[in-house]
Amino acid sequence: KQEVTQIPAALSVPEGENLVLNCSFTDSAIYNLQWFRQDPGKGLTSLLLIQSSQREQTSGRLNASLDKSSGRSTLYIAASQPGDSATYLCAVRLLGGGGGADGLTFGKGTHLIIQP
Amino acid sequence: GAGVSQSPSNKVTEKGKDVELRCDPISGHTALYWYRQSLGQGLEFLIYFQGNSAPDKSGLPSDRFSAERTGGSVSTLTIQRTQQEDSAVYLCASSLAVTRGAFFGQGTRLTVV
Repeated sequence: KQEVTQIPAALSVPEGENLVLNCSFTDSAIYNLQWFRQDPGKGLTSLLLIQSSQREQTSGRLNASLDKSSGRSTLYIAASQPGDSATYLCAVRLLGGGGGADGLTFGKGTHLIIQP
Repeated sequence: GAGVSQSPSNKVTEKGKDVELRCDPISGHTALYWYRQSLGQGLEFLIYFQGNSAPDKSGLPSDRFSAERTGGSVSTLTIQRTQQEDSAVYLCASSLAVTRGAFFGQGTRLTVV
């Protein structure tokens, strides 16, 4: 069974710092990995999607990397801003197999606070 | 529509009542997922629809939960005889294909009193 772990569970940093959020997964047979942002009381907003054949994706101040063989992904946030405060979730989609495996398996998230 | 739409956004119901939650996926998306997020918990997979295939119901927590998807588009999640432990945010997502990214609605916050 795929397990996804995110470290740290919570992080508080001053505005302007660069930071890295970590995600690890136990089964490397994945289609892709997706990073989401969730604001309190809201749904999930997709940030970046990395296909299994890719090593990284970039969008603005965000860069996500994927090392499938080691079962790891990182989300790098450059020049953090108070508006980046949210919970960040990573999710992996397994190669077929049924039993819910065609869905996404989520980590429990990293709660990020950027101090003004 | 432009995104995944869920209704209602909030629902308060009495224990023992039935509730229906609705999800309108992005037009053309063949895959539709329901998840549940309880307070302080991660996302829990409930059910997955892919095109005309039989749905994957492996995540449904009990037989009080059911879901259907009509015409390959709108989906309804039904919870019968609600219990207090059913209180959670129910999230729906859709994707164009299993290899594509998933897009989520804003969720329905269900409170069972």
